[in-house]
Amino acid sequence: DQQVKQNSPSLSVQEGRISILNCDYTNSMFDYFLWYKKYPAEGPTFLISISSIKDKNEDGRFTVFLNKSAKHLSLHIVPSQPGDSAVYFCAAGGTAGRRALTFGSGTRLQVQP
Amino acid sequence: DVKVTQSSRYLVKRTGEKVFLECVQDMDHENMFWYRQDPGLGLRLIYFSYDVKMKEKGDIPEGYSVSREKKERFSLILESASTNQTSMYLCASTVYSNEQFFGPGTRLTVL
Repeated sequence: DQQVKQNSPSLSVQEGRISILNCDYTNSMFDYFLWYKKYPAEGPTFLISISSIKDKNEDGRFTVFLNKSAKHLSLHIVPSQPGDSAVYFCAAGGTAGRRALTFGSGTRLQVQP
Repeated sequence: DVKVTQSSRYLVKRTGEKVFLECVQDMDHENMFWYRQDPGLGLRLIYFSYDVKMKEKGDIPEGYSVSREKKERFSLILESASTNQTSMYLCASTVYSNEQFFGPGTRLTVL
C-alpha cells in the first residue's frame, strides 16, 4: 500500500507559466515532507521541504503548500523554466519510528520553451 | 559540499552472479540508505543503516543484503542476481532522516 502518492505521472507546461505538482499521503505519523528533483542518469537532489507545523514554505521560485487535514501537499514553480524539466519526487518522513523517507512514484515535468 | 559516490555508474551482470554495489560518503553521516528506482514505482527502500555494523530492512529487502564495516561505506550485495533486480540503485546518506544526499546511482542490468 503506497503511503505517498503522486497521481500524475507527467505534466507539461509552457515556459513562464506556473507548474503545480501534487502529492497525497495516508500516514498521519509523517511530520516532514520534502521535494526532490531528478535529472536522467543523476541522483535526486533536494529541492525544498516543509514541516507539519507549517502550511507554506517558499524558496525563490519554489513554494510548497501543506494541507494536513487533506493529507495533501503541492509544489508550485513560478515562473517555470526549461531547466526545470525533470522528474519530481515527493517524500515524507517522521521523527518517530524509522529514519528513512517514503517516496512517491514521481511526476515528470516538461517545460516547453 | 556533501559527496556521495557510488562505485559504478553502469553494471552488467549475469543471472546467478554475486554483485557488490559500493557507496561512500565523506560527511561523517550516521545514516546511510539503499534505494532502487523503477519506472512508475518511485524510490523504494531496500536497507538502511544508522551506525556501523547496524542495519535495518526497508520495504523490499528480499534478495539483498548489506554491510557497513566503516562509517563512510555502505555496501549492497545481491547474493545471486536475478533479472528482476535490473534497476537503478541509489545510495543516500544523512545526519537526520530528512534532506538525504544521494549518489549518482548505479544502473544495473542482469542478463
